[in-house]
Amino acid sequence: AQSVAQPEDQVNVAEGNPLTVKCTYSVSGNPYLFWYVQYPNRGLQFLLKYITGDNLVKGSYGFEAEFNKSQTSFHLKKPSALVSDSALYFCAVRDGAAGNKLTFGGGTRVLVKP
Amino acid sequence: GAVVSQHPSRVICKSGTSVKIECRSLDFQATTMFWYRQFPKKSLMLMATSNEGSKATYEQGVEKDKFLINHASLTLSTLTVTSAHPEDSSFYICSASRGDYEQYFGPGTRLTVT
Repeated sequence: AQSVAQPEDQVNVAEGNPLTVKCTYSVSGNPYLFWYVQYPNRGLQFLLKYITGDNLVKGSYGFEAEFNKSQTSFHLKKPSALVSDSALYFCAVRDGAAGNKLTFGGGTRVLVKP
Repeated sequence: GAVVSQHPSRVICKSGTSVKIECRSLDFQATTMFWYRQFPKKSLMLMATSNEGSKATYEQGVEKDKFLINHASLTLSTLTVTSAHPEDSSFYICSASRGDYEQYFGPGTRLTVT
């Protein structure tokens, strides 16, 4: 079975500081990894994905994530956070050997303070 | 490309009535659609997976007679909440896949049962 863990319910950061949102995963096959952001009463917006290739993935709005196979992690990062980055962030994994279901982490709320 | 819409965005219904939520892929053909439920400040829970022209596959614990899913065409899936009760109040999100590794999410539907 596939699973995703986001160990932090909330991350607080000052505007302009680096932002990191942690994610670890467990799959039996090759992982397809995704990050989404959700604003209040909205659906999910795609940020970035890792399927194969370079471990450092660059995505929308200045976000990037690093795939670390040995640590089974896919942490989301942004060098300089904006107040508008305050939202709910979800990491998700699809097991390449187990169909096309996505399993989501519990979500991490990011609060960027001015 | 890859836009998914949901209708309605918000619905309020009385206890005991049924309500239908539509999910449409606007610019692509969706071989598979997914329905999720999200409780406040919680992650997304997959309810069911539907393929065009075949019966939906429900996740464990999801009542198929209560949450009727119809995937009538390659661009439309509907979720009908039958005999709704206040505990069915939630945020329902659909996603669509065109056969690759990605899911494209709709904006969500807020259901309130009074």
